[in-house]
This record gives sequence, C-alpha cells and structure tokens, in this order.
Amino acid sequence: EAGVTQFPSHSVIEKGQTVTLRCDPISGHDNLYWYRRVMGKEIKFLLHFVKESKQDESGMPNNRFLAERTGGTYSTLKVQPAELEDSGVYFCASSQDRGLWSYNEQFFGPGTRLTVL
Amino acid sequence: AQSVTQLDSQVPVFEEAPVELRCNYSSSVSVYLFWYVQYPNQGLQLLLKYLSGSTLVKGINGFEAEFNKSQTSFHLRKPSVHISDTAEYFCAVSEGNTGFQKLVFGTGTRLLVSP
Repeated sequence: EAGVTQFPSHSVIEKGQTVTLRCDPISGHDNLYWYRRVMGKEIKFLLHFVKESKQDESGMPNNRFLAERTGGTYSTLKVQPAELEDSGVYFCASSQDRGLWSYNEQFFGPGTRLTVL
Repeated sequence: AQSVTQLDSQVPVFEEAPVELRCNYSSSVSVYLFWYVQYPNQGLQLLLKYLSGSTLVKGINGFEAEFNKSQTSFHLRKPSVHISDTAEYFCAVSEGNTGFQKLVFGTGTRLLVSP
C-alpha cells in the first residue's frame, strides 16, 4: 500500500511568486492534515480536512495561504504571494476515520522543502 | 493550550551506549503522547504512543518511553543505540479522548550516534 506522497520534494522560488504544494493521502483516509516546520523550530499544525471540508484551519498563518481538497482525495496548499518567512518544510499527514472517540494514527509524507529567496 | 518542550536540541552518543531523550508537556486536559522519528530524507514515522493504560510503552527498534503524569514527562529511552538510530526525534501531544485532534510537536532532538 502506498504511503502519503507529496510533490514537489523541493521548491525554490523568489519572493512574490506563487507556489502550489500537493499531497496525496493514503487511499481511503478521510482525514488530511498540513503541518509546517520553519528551520530549527517545532512542527506546527496548519489545518485539517475531513473529506473535502475544512475541520480546523486555526493554524493557517494568513490569507496568503489557501488549502483545498476537492473531491476529498488529494489536497493542494497554495502560497500567493510567497514571503521569505514562508520558507520551511511542509508536511502532509493522513488518517483513517474510525470515529471521533477512537484513536486515528496520522501517517506522514516526506515533506516539501520550500525555499523563498 | 498545549505545549511540548524538548530541551536537548542535539544528543551525541557512542554506539551501544544507552540514551534518554527528554520530553515535557503542558496541558490542562488528558492527552495522548507520541514520539516520532525522522530519518534523513524521509517522512515522520511513529515510534511509539501512549493512549492510556500502562505508563511504560514499547515501540519499534527497541525504544521505550514512560509516561509520568505528576512530572508531565514522556522521556524516550533505548538501552543500547546503533549507528542506524541517528535521526531526529520529535515528541508530540494531542488532546485525549478524541481521535481527530491536531498534533502539537516539540522542537525535535537530533540523535547523533558515532562508532
């Protein structure tokens, strides 16, 4: 069974440009999460989809970030326009839905390293 | 709000020596606790987790951790490390009693095992 995949693995762009990151969760996983790690700091939650709906987007830094999950399958995270402080590693994770009161392990992708110059 | 503290950013150790990676958390509610490992150029992999029950939990690759509620700690241990354990280790917490909560991570500890 394929794991969580992310594309691209690396992206180098200039300040002001637009970048779109993609995440393909494990097949059948309704929950999809985005996290970000800025260099040397903790991995921080960005948002959580349940199928195509945003369950929690409390971690999105500002309105330059737009996440979508059309059809409840893969997800994209667009940064427009990119700023220097957006540099970091963006992780995607997915989990099954065994119910609200059950533990649902999150499986992580390898991440996308974004560098904004 | 929950938070996780990993005071050691880097831990150097010789092969076959024991190691302990420290993790302390703060939360006003019951929590689930996790250790994740990231090997070079790979994603985060779950090493072990505490959900409830026995406070000593065993994970993959010979690692174990002990949940100490009074000290709000969840330290990771291994009695004898290998070169292949060189990686970055992240402690994380999520709100207990529900399976959909976001993970709150510490800043990570880089374990460097040398021969």
